[in-house]
Amino acid sequence: GEDVEQSLFLSVREGDSSVINCTYTDSSSTYLYWYKQEPGAGLQLLTYIFSNMDMKQDQRLTVLLNKKDKHLSLRIADTQTGDSAIYFCAESMGNYGQNFVFGPGTRLSVLP
Amino acid sequence: DSGVTQTPKHLITATGQRVTLRCSPRSGDLSVYWYQQSLDQGLQFLIQYYNGEERAKGNILERFSAQQFPDLHSELNLSSLELGDSALYFCASSPGTGKDEQYFGPGTRLTVT
Repeated sequence: GEDVEQSLFLSVREGDSSVINCTYTDSSSTYLYWYKQEPGAGLQLLTYIFSNMDMKQDQRLTVLLNKKDKHLSLRIADTQTGDSAIYFCAESMGNYGQNFVFGPGTRLSVLP
Repeated sequence: DSGVTQTPKHLITATGQRVTLRCSPRSGDLSVYWYQQSLDQGLQFLIQYYNGEERAKGNILERFSAQQFPDLHSELNLSSLELGDSALYFCASSPGTGKDEQYFGPGTRLTVT
């Protein structure tokens, strides 16, 4: 079955790196995503990685994918207070349409 | 502002009733996605439409249905409402149907009493 798991909370100090982890179960996933949700807002796509890639870097964000262990991580360098939000990991399957499964979300708190 | 609009913003209704949520995608986007976010179930993908056709189905209940019209706006119909249907319902749109970035609307908060 499909299941995506994440730890629910993470606290870091401003300027430190944050690492948010995610595990998924469906090895047929096509894409894996990280979304950010700020209070009272919808989701914002931060980055995604195709399932045949190991790593993707985009400015302060680094995504690592260990396909063997079905483990995905998001590293945010130089974390700022504006990064405080809930971060969702998601997987999708399919090329014709996109069937998404989301994790429960990790609430990142950035302390000054 | 993502360019995706959803109406109404808030909706309060009673159990057993039927409601319709509306979504207008960003100009030029052909895909519309519906999501339900609740404390119990987290964020769940419900259904995707692309250019008027259903493309992918997630955890959408049989009491729920959706459609996408020729002008590309979409409606999500929720019937025989139960207390557990209280949630935030998001619509998102994207240009195509692959890995395109999805742009989320502000959501409709449904409260069933």
